[in-house]
Amino acid sequence: EDQVTQSPEALRLQEGESSSLNCSYTVSGLRGLFWYRQDPGKGPEFLFTLYSAGEEKEKERLKATLTKKESFLHITAPKPEDSATYLCAVQAEDKIIFGKGTRLHILP
Amino acid sequence: GAVVSQHPSWVICKSGTSVKIECRSLDFQATTMFWYRQFPKQSLMLMATSNEGSKATYEQGVEKDKFLINHASLTLSTLTVTSAHPEDSSFYICSARKGGGGDTQYFGPGTRLTVL
Repeated sequence: EDQVTQSPEALRLQEGESSSLNCSYTVSGLRGLFWYRQDPGKGPEFLFTLYSAGEEKEKERLKATLTKKESFLHITAPKPEDSATYLCAVQAEDKIIFGKGTRLHILP
Repeated sequence: GAVVSQHPSWVICKSGTSVKIECRSLDFQATTMFWYRQFPKQSLMLMATSNEGSKATYEQGVEKDKFLINHASLTLSTLTVTSAHPEDSSFYICSARKGGGGDTQYFGPGTRLTVL
């Protein structure tokens, strides 16, 4: 069965404390993996698309990596404004599957 | 850019009435648009996929006669919740995919529907 699992469910970090969020997946025919940021009461904001194992993409304090089984979203020296829910989604041949997200809280 | 808007951002209605939500791609043409609903602290649940000029494809368990979707142009899709009931209260989010631009979906800001 195709599925996407994100861990941890929630994460609290001190400002400046780097960490990684995990997205593991089992799908047939991976066409792409997406990371989104979602603030409360708002729609997801697109961050990255990764297409193949070994690919990496960066944006400010965020870096996304992809292997054949999982993706990591690394957050370097986070700031309070990075607090949000981070969603991972996987595009299979005929459907997109979302993980439940990781709620990240950065303490000042 | 890839900006998607939704209108209204929130709506309160009485049970039994119908509510229409608009989704627009502002700076690109969207051959495919998607409608999701999201419950508190849950992930997005795909309701339907619509392609411009054709009938929407609904996910299993989603009533097509209750959630009417129209994708009349390359920049506009509408979702009408007919005869809304309190259990339809949710956060509805649309997304759009660029024509010829890969699989990435760009999301709107969402519409909070409350049915009294």
